[in-house]
Amino acid sequence: DSGVTQTPKHLITATGQRVTLRCSPRSGDLSVYWYQQSLDQGLQFLIQYYNGEERAKGNILERFSAQQFPDLHSELNLSSLELGDSALYFCASSSPTGTQYFGPGTRLTVL
Amino acid sequence: GQNIDQPTEMTATEGAIVQINCTYQTSGFNGLFWYQQHAGEAPTFLSYNVLDGLEEKGRFSSFLSRSKGYSYLLLKELQMKDSASYLCAVRYGGSQGNLIFGKGTKLSVKP
Repeated sequence: DSGVTQTPKHLITATGQRVTLRCSPRSGDLSVYWYQQSLDQGLQFLIQYYNGEERAKGNILERFSAQQFPDLHSELNLSSLELGDSALYFCASSSPTGTQYFGPGTRLTVL
Repeated sequence: GQNIDQPTEMTATEGAIVQINCTYQTSGFNGLFWYQQHAGEAPTFLSYNVLDGLEEKGRFSSFLSRSKGYSYLLLKELQMKDSASYLCAVRYGGSQGNLIFGKGTKLSVKP
């Protein structure tokens, strides 16, 4: 158990819909990172927050957005969902030395 | 781009030793990480190298050559449970910088 929690574990929805994925970092970690992993694809970095502020952006679509709240939990919002958005979405938080620890992931299925 | 290259698949025999190589672009390098990922599960942290040389942790060791942009993960006394994908990731930037992941090496351990 990495100490990073994510909810829900599974999410099934329809095209065009909007969903919210939630992540709580390890106690004391200020950075939260979001990744997408499609079938047979590597981990694609989406976005990073540090202590409530956006720190870095990767290959995140305009239909996707995220935020980090004062209690340091983070939410990833995915809207106008398409079939190709079906993937595993991981959240990670990092220790002061920068090692990232991953949550169990949310498996999103868009039908 | 910052390409991280590692072999797609490898096969080894139970009890043997296997070496998984990773090459990366050196400009801006600030640390290399290895993760293990079983299918459908979260990546779990294995090792971290930021200086040249070998880091040993039980059956797993990781080596780094910064000048060559090269790392390897060495797995000894292979067990069936070591069948998984092994992800090489490089940090470019500060200690809280995001990681760029390779596509992973799928290792199959056979009896």
